[in-house]
Amino acid sequence: EAQVTQNPRYLITVTGKKLTVTCSQNMNHEYMSWYRQDPGLGLRQIYYSMNVEVTDKGDVPEGYKVSRKEKRNFPLILESPSPNQTSLYFCASSRTSVYNEQFFGPGTRLTVL
Amino acid sequence: KQEVTQIPAALSVPEGENLVLNCSFTDSAIYNLQWFRQDPGKGLTSLLLIQSSQREQTSGRLNASLDKSSGRSTLYIAASQPGDSATYLCAVRRVEYGGSQGNLIFGKGTKLSVKP
Repeated sequence: EAQVTQNPRYLITVTGKKLTVTCSQNMNHEYMSWYRQDPGLGLRQIYYSMNVEVTDKGDVPEGYKVSRKEKRNFPLILESPSPNQTSLYFCASSRTSVYNEQFFGPGTRLTVL
Repeated sequence: KQEVTQIPAALSVPEGENLVLNCSFTDSAIYNLQWFRQDPGKGLTSLLLIQSSQREQTSGRLNASLDKSSGRSTLYIAASQPGDSATYLCAVRRVEYGGSQGNLIFGKGTKLSVKP
């Protein structure tokens, strides 16, 4: 089944403790992206990647890192999480053309205490 | 700056009713517009994708239209069912220059409740 998977689905952590949220897709998509969803603010893009070893900032990149060493994986790294990063995070992927639809993962709910 | 607005924020209808959800955007420089459905605690499911050169797309009971010049899209749901209850999001893929991919810019969604 074609899908985008994220792990973990739920995570509670404390301020400053480094964490990684994994994202993997099995559709051989070149483009991958991370979004966060917050009440009243909607979904906003954090980082995106057009292909292996090619990443760029989205609209709200501060406090996050990403890497793209393999085509199928695009982990989101929080080096020193803070409470304002408490949010619902989504990974998405699509073929590289801007004309292709994006497919989203199930989401990761992160709470930073 | 591209802004996407969805009105109403919430909508409650009786089962069987036909309904229209609205989406407007401020900048017509878009590649396409995508409608999603989000169930509580779940991810986003893509419903329809309309390219900027298209006027509408249909899938089953869903029909989405796009008027790029006026910055509007509508999602028409025919013969609504309780299973249609969810939050519906529209997103535009904005045109960007300098070789970068266009980001998806989302509206805040319309929460639909279909009563049996």
